Amino acid sequence: AQSVTQLGSHVSVSEGALVLLRCNYSSSVPPYLFWYVQYPNQGLQLLLKYTTGATLVKGINGFEAEFKKSETSFHLTKPSAHMSDAAEYFCAVMRGGKLIFGQGTELSVKP
Amino acid sequence: EPEVTQTPSHQVTQMGQEVILRCVPISNHLYFYWYRQILGQKVEFLVSFYNNEISEKSEIFDDQFSVERPDGSNFTLKIRSTKLEDSAMYFCASRRTDNSNQPQHFGDGTRLSIL
Repeated sequence: AQSVTQLGSHVSVSEGALVLLRCNYSSSVPPYLFWYVQYPNQGLQLLLKYTTGATLVKGINGFEAEFKKSETSFHLTKPSAHMSDAAEYFCAVMRGGKLIFGQGTELSVKP
Repeated sequence: EPEVTQTPSHQVTQMGQEVILRCVPISNHLYFYWYRQILGQKVEFLVSFYNNEISEKSEIFDDQFSVERPDGSNFTLKIRSTKLEDSAMYFCASRRTDNSNQPQHFGDGTRLSIL
């Protein structure tokens, strides 16, 4: 069965610092992986996706993620955090027609 | 950019009452979904819907729940005889095809509070 694990329910960084949100997946077939962001009182917005091809995927708002099959990981990074990045981030894998989500990681950005 | 819209944004209902959550998917999308997020927990799949039929449903989606596409634009989730544990954020999503590489587009959700 496919599943997703996000390490760290809460990550806090200083403004300008590197953001690293961890996601590991388990899948018996090549996975389709997604990162979504949820700002306060809003829905889930797609940040980026990995399907096939290039393993380094660029998304919106300066985020990117690298698919590493050997490590079964799809970590999300951003070189320099902004205050506006404070939100909840969800990693998800597509299984059949539905998304299987990780627990989510709340990102706080300190001035 | 087209959006999935959900109404109401917040619904407060007495336990035992019926509630209908409404969604307007993106207009050229054919596949529709409901997800639930209980406070502090992960987002969970409830049901998928295509061609006026349920494609797949989770074990959460029992006889208390039903979905309907009453017209060409709306997609509804009905919860009969609500329970306290139905309190959650409910998200509607849609996508144009069922290709696994196609992302689902989500609405802003309806926060359902059962008293």
